[in-house]
Amino acid sequence: EAQVTQNPRYLITVTGKKLTVTCSQNMNHEYMSWYRQDPGLGLRQIYYSMNVEVTDKGDVPEGYKVSRKEKRNFPLILESPSPNQTSLYFCASSSAGLAKNIQYFGAGTRLSVL
Amino acid sequence: AQTVTQSQPEMSVQEAETVTLSCTYDTSESDYYLFWYKQPPSRQMILVIRQEAYKQQNATENRFSVNFQKAAKSFSLKISDSQLGDAAMYFCAYGPYSGGGADGLTFGKGTHLIIQP
Repeated sequence: EAQVTQNPRYLITVTGKKLTVTCSQNMNHEYMSWYRQDPGLGLRQIYYSMNVEVTDKGDVPEGYKVSRKEKRNFPLILESPSPNQTSLYFCASSSAGLAKNIQYFGAGTRLSVL
Repeated sequence: AQTVTQSQPEMSVQEAETVTLSCTYDTSESDYYLFWYKQPPSRQMILVIRQEAYKQQNATENRFSVNFQKAAKSFSLKISDSQLGDAAMYFCAYGPYSGGGADGLTFGKGTHLIIQP
């Protein structure tokens, strides 16, 4: 089954404690992105990657890091989480071919930073 | 930069009736994609319908159809024969044609659709 898998689904942590949210896709997609969703703001892109070792900032990259060492994986790293990073996070992937821009979303990770 | 505006934070419709959700966007591009995503209480993002800007014909998927007005930069979603399972948050999104999917989508703030039984 084609899917984007995020882990964990729920996470409660404390300010300053480094964490990683993993994202993996099994569709051999070139493109992967991270979004955060906040009430009244919709989804905003954090970082994206066009292929292995190619990443770039989205609209709200501050406080986040990403890496793309393998095509299927695109982890989101919070080196020193702060309460304003409490949010719902989505990973998404899409193809470079004719179906580009149809983004497949993971189930989301709800993060609370205390 | 592109912007997407959904002017209706919340809409309510009787079951079996028709409802239209509004979306306007701003772009200087001539080729792009527009999407409607549904987010039920499970929080999963589900693609409802997709429209390519170069196509004049409005996209349709079963009970869901769009009214795409390129000159007016308007992209409304019509849901016919509303069902209880249609209750969700609906997001309108813009995607660039060039650069591929990695450029990401620009989302509106969402419209919460309530279905009255």
